[in-house]
Amino acid sequence: QVQLVESGGRVVRPGTSLRLSCETSGFDFNKYGFQWVRQAPGKGLEWVAGIWYDGVHNYTADSVTGRFTVSRDGPKNTLFLEMNSLRVEDTAVYYCARKFYFERTYGMDVWGQGTTVIVSS
Amino acid sequence: SHELTQPPSLSVSPGQTARITCSGDALSKKYVYWYQQRSGQAPVLIIYEDTKRPSGIPERFSGSSSGTMVTLTITGAQVDDEAAYFCSSTDNNENHWVFGGGTTLTVL
Repeated sequence: QVQLVESGGRVVRPGTSLRLSCETSGFDFNKYGFQWVRQAPGKGLEWVAGIWYDGVHNYTADSVTGRFTVSRDGPKNTLFLEMNSLRVEDTAVYYCARKFYFERTYGMDVWGQGTTVIVSS
Repeated sequence: SHELTQPPSLSVSPGQTARITCSGDALSKKYVYWYQQRSGQAPVLIIYEDTKRPSGIPERFSGSSSGTMVTLTITGAQVDDEAAYFCSSTDNNENHWVFGGGTTLTVL
């Protein structure tokens, strides 16, 4: 079945870097785009970044532009989120989600279980 | 970017109908997706493109749209439906996404 499994989250100091991974299985990775969405403790969902199926087009939210980069490795069926200059406010559970074309638009149809990033001094 | 507004909380008794709204100026031109998130779990898609239900989602979940407001309706809510519900749509930039603040549904 379709699975997305995030990893790489841990406790880090402000100003440092971290790379999250999202390993996928059960479908043709190279035909789909993906999104990263985060959720700060006790808060709602916040879209962070997205990447097209081709890996050429990628986008980030204003809150992370210039610090976060999304990329993908086709042969490894894996999505990445490179996070630099981390701030306390980046503390959150980070989810990856598959971008799926329904009948008229794109949406996020399957989500991973999330990986926790804590930025603290 | 545009904003999506949801009521923070809603409480109903088992068997009653729960209606969760999501409003935004751009919604008359955009489709909305609804996600259910139980405590400690990842979000699950329950409604796509305003009104459609993915396979495996119970029929008691339905969606409707009118102007700049969309509504998620749970007909005959069950205790198992206790969760946070988030609406979502693309932003002015179609490659960016926005989420509503979420509505916590209590069924008791």
